[in-house]
Amino acid sequence: EDQVTQSPEALRLQEGESSSLNCSYTVSGLRGLFWYRQDPGKGPEFLFTLYSAGEEKEKERLKATLTKKESFLHITAPKPEDSATYLCAVQAWETSGSRLTFGEGTQLTVNP
Amino acid sequence: GAGVSQTPSNKVTEKGKYVELRCDPISGHTALYWYRQSLGQGPEFLIYFQGTGAADDSGLPNDRFFAVRPEGSVSTLKIQRTERGDSAVYLCASSLFAGTSYNEQFFGPGTRLTVL
Repeated sequence: EDQVTQSPEALRLQEGESSSLNCSYTVSGLRGLFWYRQDPGKGPEFLFTLYSAGEEKEKERLKATLTKKESFLHITAPKPEDSATYLCAVQAWETSGSRLTFGEGTQLTVNP
Repeated sequence: GAGVSQTPSNKVTEKGKYVELRCDPISGHTALYWYRQSLGQGPEFLIYFQGTGAADDSGLPNDRFFAVRPEGSVSTLKIQRTERGDSAVYLCASSLFAGTSYNEQFFGPGTRLTVL
């Protein structure tokens, strides 16, 4: 069974204080690992897809990296508008239709 | 362009009633997914459509839940004899293709279902 564990559950940062969120996964053949951002009362917003160990992707202050067992979402010099819940999900080759298995998310708060 | 839309945004019903939740995917997307999200949890897969057919309904919790996509576009999630435990946010997502590597799923805003 595919499993995704995210840590920490919650993270408070000061504006400009860089940090990383962790996503550990167990999957029978990784097709893709996805990062989403979710604001309160809204649906998840797609950020990145990573497909193979060693791959990195960047978008503004966010950078996602992937190893064979985990992924990190690095946040550089965060701003208050980066406050949200960040969700990690995996997609396995064996599951039909490419369903996503999500972690419980990390709730990030960036204080001004 | 228009994203995934879901109606209603909120639905309050009484235990035992029947509800329908609608999803309108991004135009041209062939794959459509339903997920359910409880407070403080990540979304949980329910069902996946490729075109008009339900290709994978293994996430539906029981036979009170049913979904259709008759013309390969709009989908309706139907819940019979609702129970208080069905209260959650129901999310719909669509992707251009399924079964390929490049198939990011784009989510709608969700329908918040409350069963009293």
